[in-house]
Amino acid sequence: GQQLNQSPQSMFIQEGEDVSMNCTSSSIFNTWLWYKQDPGEGPVLLIALYKAGELTSNGRLTAQFGITRKDSFLNISASIPSDVGIYFCAGPELNSGGSNYKLTFGKGTLLTVNP
Amino acid sequence: NAGVTQTPKFQVLKTGQSMTLQCAQDMNHEYMSWYRQDPGMGLRLIHYSVGAGITDQGEVPNGYNVSRSTTEDFPLRLLSAAPSQTSVYFCASSYSGVAEAFFGQGTRLTVV
Repeated sequence: GQQLNQSPQSMFIQEGEDVSMNCTSSSIFNTWLWYKQDPGEGPVLLIALYKAGELTSNGRLTAQFGITRKDSFLNISASIPSDVGIYFCAGPELNSGGSNYKLTFGKGTLLTVNP
Repeated sequence: NAGVTQTPKFQVLKTGQSMTLQCAQDMNHEYMSWYRQDPGMGLRLIHYSVGAGITDQGEVPNGYNVSRSTTEDFPLRLLSAAPSQTSVYFCASSYSGVAEAFFGQGTRLTVV
């Protein structure tokens, strides 16, 4: 299957700093999803992107769907302690038979925010 | 709405034991899936289902069985547990395979 490569693997930042992370694929995606996982919880959707070039915001979060459809970026502005967690990118890919889609995740970016 | 409910939250098994992880959703979603999460590996898809009676394998299906007899339930069975199956397991559901997935709170499984 397709691999989603996320970078960086981890980040340690000071409260108030801006954060940027990205996700790349060797193949084209038609949808990019960004999730956040708090410690001990399941992932929760932050932003969904459906069109190449699309730029979408959710509060202090902004995500972009790359023009090539092989990458996506997530930015967090003015970070706060509750931004701590693992951020995952995800995208649907066709199964081997081409009959339906399955959601594939990157390995995640672990964000630590120092107050 | 309860969303996606997983039981149990924690489980310890001995090698060779069998068990079923339960997953239920009340959102009338057609698509359900199981992932395992290991440190540094992200979320890896085990099995998924696009509707009642239809299942397919994900990245890491070996050692796990699934069935989907109703829209609401999608249990994951471990027939003979192995230490390599020690992990956190998440069930998710969505309207379709390309839509937002809603996750349960996870089952932390330890096989000794």
